[in-house]
Amino acid sequence: KAGVTQTPRYLIKTRGQQVTLSCSPISGHRSVSWYQQTPGQGLQFLFEYFSETQRNKGNFPGRFSGRQFSNSRSEMNVSTLELGDSALYLCASSLGPSPYEQYFGPGTRLTVT
Amino acid sequence: ILNVEQSPQSLHVQEGDSTNFTCSFPSSNFYALHWYRWETAKSPEALFVMTLNGDEKKKGRISATLNTKEGYSYLYIKGSQPEDSATYLCQFFGNEKLTFGTGTRLTIIP
Repeated sequence: KAGVTQTPRYLIKTRGQQVTLSCSPISGHRSVSWYQQTPGQGLQFLFEYFSETQRNKGNFPGRFSGRQFSNSRSEMNVSTLELGDSALYLCASSLGPSPYEQYFGPGTRLTVT
Repeated sequence: ILNVEQSPQSLHVQEGDSTNFTCSFPSSNFYALHWYRWETAKSPEALFVMTLNGDEKKKGRISATLNTKEGYSYLYIKGSQPEDSATYLCQFFGNEKLTFGTGTRLTIIP
């Protein structure tokens, strides 16, 4: 069974630009969660989608948005990038929302210059 | 903002010794607690999902307990091995928020 895949793996963007990251869950998984990892803040929850609906959202500004498609693939978008958005973005898939076990992808390393 | 704290922040343990560390979380509106192991240059790997007060889960040499009334969970590693070196994270789900602790960085000394 293929694992969680994230594309792209690495990305360099300039301040003010916008970016879209993609996450393909494990086949059969209907829930996708997104996390941001920075050295100063650790791992922080962005949002959780289940069956195309956002179930939970973390404390991030409206520049961070996401969506889930009918095939459970998910995208997250960050508009008007700031230097502080430089981070590792991880997505995790699970059969359903918590408390189902989550399986993490390799992450997308975003650098904003 | 939910406080999910892990202690200690880092730990050095001699190979073969047993060790444990703590995750503290709000005792109200508990829904679930996840434990993960995160090795350098890899993705977090799920260890346990705990939902009931008094839960005790075990996977090989690693086990975990849960006390939702007082708001803590312990992770135990018996007979530490070099491959146990990693950061151990807990994640609290409650109040419709998923909150990670800051992690315990475990280093096993051969």
